[in-house]
Amino acid sequence: EAGVVQSPRYKIIEKKQPVAFWCNPISGHNTLYWYRQNLGQGPELLIRYENEEAVDDSQLPKDRFSAERLKGVDSTLKIQPAELGDSAVYLCASSLGGVGPCTFGSGTRLTVV
Amino acid sequence: RKEVEQDPGPFNVPEGATVAFNCTYSNSASQSFFWYRQDCRKEPKLLMSVYSSGNEDGRFTAQLNRASQYISLLIRDSKLSDSATYLCVVNVRAGSYQLTFGKGTKLSVIP
Repeated sequence: EAGVVQSPRYKIIEKKQPVAFWCNPISGHNTLYWYRQNLGQGPELLIRYENEEAVDDSQLPKDRFSAERLKGVDSTLKIQPAELGDSAVYLCASSLGGVGPCTFGSGTRLTVV
Repeated sequence: RKEVEQDPGPFNVPEGATVAFNCTYSNSASQSFFWYRQDCRKEPKLLMSVYSSGNEDGRFTAQLNRASQYISLLIRDSKLSDSATYLCVVNVRAGSYQLTFGKGTKLSVIP
């Protein structure tokens, strides 16, 4: 069974440029998460979807970040414009329902220069 | 008080040693608990769930103390391959479920 697939693996952009990340969750997993992880820190939740509905986006910086999960399957996370402080690893995860553990993708390492 | 707190370490232990990590959580409504392992520059991977009665998986033992709101992970007979960061994870039902990660505890097993 394929795991959570993310792309790209690495992205280097100049500040003020837009960037987008893509995630395809495990088949059948209705819950999808986007986390951001800074060096030496644990993953921090940005947004959580139940099917196509964003049920928790309280930590998403809405002035520059947006996300969508059309059709309740794959998802994209966008930053526009990117800032230097956005450099981090962006992890997508999915689970079957919200009560159990989640499975992570390999992440997108973003560097903003 | 942070929602999930862990000692960041590092814990440097010799091979064969027993090592224990603790994690405390602030929300008494927390419903499920997990330990994840994260290798350097890799994604976190589920190590084990933590059950109220305590549970064991080979050399790993997890325990939960709801009254004191802490979770522990015990690793016996440490191997070099156990070197990683161990993340404590708590799932809280507050409207919807919120899966919250600690910052992780770094373990280095030394030959």
